[in-house]
Amino acid sequence: ETGVTQTPRHLVMGMTNKKSLKCEQHLGHNAMYWYKQSAKKPLELMFVYSLEERVENNSVPSRFSPECPNSSHLFLHLHTLQPEDSALYLCASSQEYGGAGEQFFGPGTRLTVL
Amino acid sequence: AQSVTQLDSQVPVFEEAPVELRCNYSSSVSVYLFWYVQYPNQGLQLLLKYLSGSTLVKGINGFEAEFNKSQTSFHLRKPSVHISDTAEYFCAVGALEYGNKLVFGAGTILRVKS
Repeated sequence: ETGVTQTPRHLVMGMTNKKSLKCEQHLGHNAMYWYKQSAKKPLELMFVYSLEERVENNSVPSRFSPECPNSSHLFLHLHTLQPEDSALYLCASSQEYGGAGEQFFGPGTRLTVL
Repeated sequence: AQSVTQLDSQVPVFEEAPVELRCNYSSSVSVYLFWYVQYPNQGLQLLLKYLSGSTLVKGINGFEAEFNKSQTSFHLRKPSVHISDTAEYFCAVGALEYGNKLVFGAGTILRVKS
């Protein structure tokens, strides 16, 4: 595998379910990001991790819980979601947090909340 | 704070015609700028970036963009488009003063017709 991978690619869940999204980067980067992409809206930055420490949390509801066990893996744990949480969730990584470097994106997980 | 405005939500164009996708930004500090492309069912891929220096930036797939500080613009151009350029294009702005936190525009869908 190369670049940034995300699993699953598609997820359908009920409002009472608990599920997790997984992201893995194979680039040796130190920073990882979760974004939410909704139709016709700009990408919304949700969380940023640098060297496994959370450095950004942009007022995201507590039903979204990130986890970064090491610099290569990032998870987004989901519970009691709402239908408006349906979106494409993108993971990205960059060499460092706080520089002008490019962010590399995964293909995303298309989440549908029923 | 920073913001990005992509002036067109959709741009239809015939194959082999030139295209310009417009991007304007707002920032109180010096910025760096990116254009990303998103093909269907994929994540974002970097087309080109402006950090400093020459204001005309060349990217992949024959795209180029020009940074215009006085007009706070970073329009994307291609002299002759192909069917395969059909995708959504995102402009993003960042600044060292704000870390590596990119602010994205809402996207422009480029539809190339034969």
